[in-house]
Amino acid sequence: GAGVSQSPRYKVAKRGQDVALRCDPISGHVSLFWYQQALGQGPEFLTYFQNEAQLDKSGLPSDRFFAERPEGSVSTLKIQRTQQEDSAVYLCASSLQGGATEAFFGQGTRLTVV
Amino acid sequence: GENVEQHPSTLSVQEGDSAVIKCTYSDSASNYFPWYKQELGKRPQLIIDIRSNVGEKKDQRIAVTLNKTAKHFSLHITETQPEDSAVYFCAASSGGTSYGKLTFGQGTILTVHP
Repeated sequence: GAGVSQSPRYKVAKRGQDVALRCDPISGHVSLFWYQQALGQGPEFLTYFQNEAQLDKSGLPSDRFFAERPEGSVSTLKIQRTQQEDSAVYLCASSLQGGATEAFFGQGTRLTVV
Repeated sequence: GENVEQHPSTLSVQEGDSAVIKCTYSDSASNYFPWYKQELGKRPQLIIDIRSNVGEKKDQRIAVTLNKTAKHFSLHITETQPEDSAVYFCAASSGGTSYGKLTFGQGTILTVHP
């Protein structure tokens, strides 16, 4: 594909349920980021991968959030025991090499916890 | 860490007028400043970016200016059109140890009236 692809586009989870969100970055992009965007706000950084290495997870809000990118391409963001405050759009972005280079965003997964 | 403030939060203009959105940042190490346009329910898309070694960059009707001393940068859109209506986000990044992690402003809802 030509761009960053995320699935599912929409996810409704019952409180306490575990969810997994998938990101397919642009082929060959070394850097992959996850952001959380609450309604009416700017995206907020969650975590960063350089290839398969998770180099920064300082933005993950709690230990219920876990991300992986085992083969340096597809990434999964997992949220365990979802809470209502987890409701947001989760955006994935990739860039060719990180640093001061353009980050391309996916369309996001809108998570609603009921 | 980096903090980015953006204003105004909403901006309403008549078609053909100019629109200006301003952002300030706190981290003097930041060296990359992209602007993203996000239409409702869609992914953020880069419209223009500037690096700290230049003071101004222009692309057709869009321009960005950067004042490193004052730590602020601005987006200028001339001859606005209804299709410019969207949410605009500024962001800042220091490409070194933060790997290009973006810190976003709160967003500006731009409405262009025909």
